[in-house]
Amino acid sequence: GQQVMQIPQYQHVQEGEDFTTYCNSSTTLSNIQWYKQRPGGHPVFLIQLVKSGEVKKQKRLTFQFGEAKKNSSLHITATQTTDVGTYFCADQTGANNLFFGTGTRLTVIP
Amino acid sequence: DSGVTQTPKHLITATGQRVTLRCSPRSGDLSVYWYQQSLDQGLQFLIQYYNGEERAKGNILERFSAQQFPDLHSELNLSSLELGDSALYFCASSARDSHTDTQYFGPGTRLTVL
Repeated sequence: GQQVMQIPQYQHVQEGEDFTTYCNSSTTLSNIQWYKQRPGGHPVFLIQLVKSGEVKKQKRLTFQFGEAKKNSSLHITATQTTDVGTYFCADQTGANNLFFGTGTRLTVIP
Repeated sequence: DSGVTQTPKHLITATGQRVTLRCSPRSGDLSVYWYQQSLDQGLQFLIQYYNGEERAKGNILERFSAQQFPDLHSELNLSSLELGDSALYFCASSARDSHTDTQYFGPGTRLTVL
């Protein structure tokens, strides 16, 4: 069946360091969405990538979709304590359902 | 605040019982989705309704059912509860039934089965 794995599962960084989480799929992804879930909160939509090789930026966040549409990454430059949370990638199947990755929990040490 | 509301916020019940979780989508959104988040299974899609009709089913157990009412609010019914059903249940809504639509998540209902 479809599997969307994320690595690493956990990441601790010093404030100011960069952070990257990778999303890998066993099948070709139709499109990829990224969500952030703060501790005790709910998933919040960050961005959607649709095209092969697409790169999008949101301030310190850079999102990339692989050329083969089987992987994606989220890179945060110069992390801040407000970046703490779990970052999920999610694949949308044709029926508009989200198939979530396993998530990467980011801790930022001040 | 996403505009999606869920009640109750917390629910504690016993094994074998039945509970109903309620979700009101964002104003104007026609699609409602239910997700289950547990420590061992992560965030899993359960079921989707669009304008009152079931559109897609995910890993939803037969003991679970849902419906969407004419006013577009939705209810998720969980019956014959087991300890393993303890989880966070999220509702999300989107404007239409398109794969490009953003889904907005509610604050969730935390279910504890004792």
